[in-house]
Amino acid sequence: DAKTTQPTSMDCAEGRAANLPCNHSTISGNEYVYWYRQIHSQGPQYIIHGLKNNETNEMASLIITEDRKSSTLILPHATLRDTAVYYCIVTPRERDDKIIFGKGTRLHILP
Amino acid sequence: ETGVTQSPTHLIKTRGQQVTLRCSSQSGHNTVSWYQQALGQGPQFIFQYYREEENGRGNFPPRFSGLQFPNYSSELNVNALELDDSALYLCASSLSDELSFGPQHFGDGTRLSIL
Repeated sequence: DAKTTQPTSMDCAEGRAANLPCNHSTISGNEYVYWYRQIHSQGPQYIIHGLKNNETNEMASLIITEDRKSSTLILPHATLRDTAVYYCIVTPRERDDKIIFGKGTRLHILP
Repeated sequence: ETGVTQSPTHLIKTRGQQVTLRCSSQSGHNTVSWYQQALGQGPQFIFQYYREEENGRGNFPPRFSGLQFPNYSSELNVNALELDDSALYLCASSLSDELSFGPQHFGDGTRLSIL
């Protein structure tokens, strides 16, 4: 079973920040939080990952709470092309780890 | 930089047949993972290959098998196809060392339909 809990779906207006929450209350000290997204008819796309510090790249920002039991992916200025299913995953990144995807959050960007 | 490519993009088979799906890793990547994605579900981990050896396996029967070649490309073989094997099969590559693997980069998958 997935180690994360995400809302089934969310809406966000185009141009606004999209904030996608993820709960991972049983996360272990050596587990990273990864985010991927899957646009219709494509394979998943890596977005960002972090261990305990907040991270930012050209696509998004990742905010991890101090107790590491939850995180938020932020798309600062959502566009229609950001409509996708977003997956939050926790993994220790050890080579024999089985990455487990849940059902993710279906994000709709509204014009 | 060449991304992950999979072939074929679509395939139709009948029950009991065998199928081979192919994956070319992203340039510089040495690890390949395979996933099965049923309609409306998240990808399910099948197995991972590192340095041409299976390096972890999900809850899939032995009729799902794979290979990784010296150039890090990979094949997924499925024998005795069943109707429930109809799905999108995804390949992902990453750069790994002895201890950990990096972010996975996915191909767009092979859509397999079993009649």
